[in-house]
Amino acid sequence: DTEVTQTPKHLVMGMTNKKSLKCEQHMGHRAMYWYKQKAKKPPELMFVYSYEKLSINESVPSRFSPECPNSSLLNLHLHALQPEDSALYLCASSAGTTMNTEAFFGQGTRLTVV
Amino acid sequence: AQKVTQAQTEISVVEKEDVTLDCVYETRDTTYYLFWYKQPPSGELVFLIRRNSFDEQNEISGRYSWNFQKSTSSFNFTITASQVVDSAVYFCALSERNSGGSNYKLTFGKGTLLTVNP
Repeated sequence: DTEVTQTPKHLVMGMTNKKSLKCEQHMGHRAMYWYKQKAKKPPELMFVYSYEKLSINESVPSRFSPECPNSSLLNLHLHALQPEDSALYLCASSAGTTMNTEAFFGQGTRLTVV
Repeated sequence: AQKVTQAQTEISVVEKEDVTLDCVYETRDTTYYLFWYKQPPSGELVFLIRRNSFDEQNEISGRYSWNFQKSTSSFNFTITASQVVDSAVYFCALSERNSGGSNYKLTFGKGTLLTVNP
């Protein structure tokens, strides 16, 4: 199983809503990532979890709150988002956080903030 | 700062043509890894290849081939006899150490949109 599964695939939320994005992998990977991708742009790293601990936060606003309940799951809690936060949110996992490990990506959640 | 440049924003070819996607990178590290990913319209990034800085051998996988030249800091990707299913955005990426020095992250180029027309 080389899949990273993300739910939901599409999400529309108001600026006062609270929602969560979910990501799951069963490859035994110990590193998991959240990326944000705007249209016609490359993915931008948001967070890295290594062995269930947050190891990188790329100065992401606090309205995005990551959580790693266990080694297979990664959540991204959303609160009070802005329309400019509309984007494709990609989850990825890798066997480790060393430079030579390739990341496997999910299909993403297309988020629209209205 | 480390950087990945994909100068071709969009390329359009007719099926069965060969096409080369260019990637030029900058890094001060002596050990580094380069990657190519494919992003079809469905959204997920599909890993295609990883190459380390000490291995300059070209690689071929079916219709795909990669040319890594350290002297010119380039890692180009060629698709031979392109097919409509090859239509996607292709990203070149460099693995770099984050500012704290304890982890690595991927720095992506801006991507090249390849359209293969029947």
